[in-house]
Amino acid sequence: AQSVAQPEDQVNVAEGNPLTVKCTYSVSGNPYLFWYVQYPNRGLQFLLKYITGDNLVKGSYGFEAEFNKSQTSFHLKKPSALVSDSALYFCAVRGYSSASKIIFGSGTRLSIRP
Amino acid sequence: EPEVTQTPSHQVTQMGQEVILRCVPISNHLYFYWYRQILGQKVEFLVSFYNNEISEKSEIFDDQFSVERPDGSNFTLKIRSTKLEDSAMYFCASTNGIRRETQYFGPGTRLLVL
Repeated sequence: AQSVAQPEDQVNVAEGNPLTVKCTYSVSGNPYLFWYVQYPNRGLQFLLKYITGDNLVKGSYGFEAEFNKSQTSFHLKKPSALVSDSALYFCAVRGYSSASKIIFGSGTRLSIRP
Repeated sequence: EPEVTQTPSHQVTQMGQEVILRCVPISNHLYFYWYRQILGQKVEFLVSFYNNEISEKSEIFDDQFSVERPDGSNFTLKIRSTKLEDSAMYFCASTNGIRRETQYFGPGTRLLVL
């Protein structure tokens, strides 16, 4: 069975500082990993994905994520946080087929203070 | 940029009533999904739909739920007799089925059952 875990319910960062939102995964076979963001009263927006290739994946709004096979992690990062990055972030995993369902983590609320 | 749309954005209904949530997936997409998010909880898969058939459904998707693609553009989720615990945000998603592609989500319908 596939799953992802987000160990932190909340992450607090000062504006301008680097941020990391953690995610670990458990899959059989190759992982297909995603990050989505949910702003208040809004839907889920796709940020970035890892399918194959470079371990460092770049996505929208200056975010990037590092795939680490040995640690089974896919942490979301940004070099310099903005107040507007404050939102709920979901790590997710999908089966081999792009038609497979997506399984989401529990979410991490990111709060950026001015 | 094409996007998934959902109507209504909010719906309030009485327990036992039927509701239909509507979605217009991205036009060249072939796979359609419904997910739900109970307030404060993670996003859960309900059902996937391809070629006018259910491909997969979760244990949440019981006989009270049904999906339909009544025409070439709409994708609907029907809850026959709503229960209090059906109160949630319901997200529609679609993808074109290409392996590297992700699922794109609509803005959601917030359903409140009283």
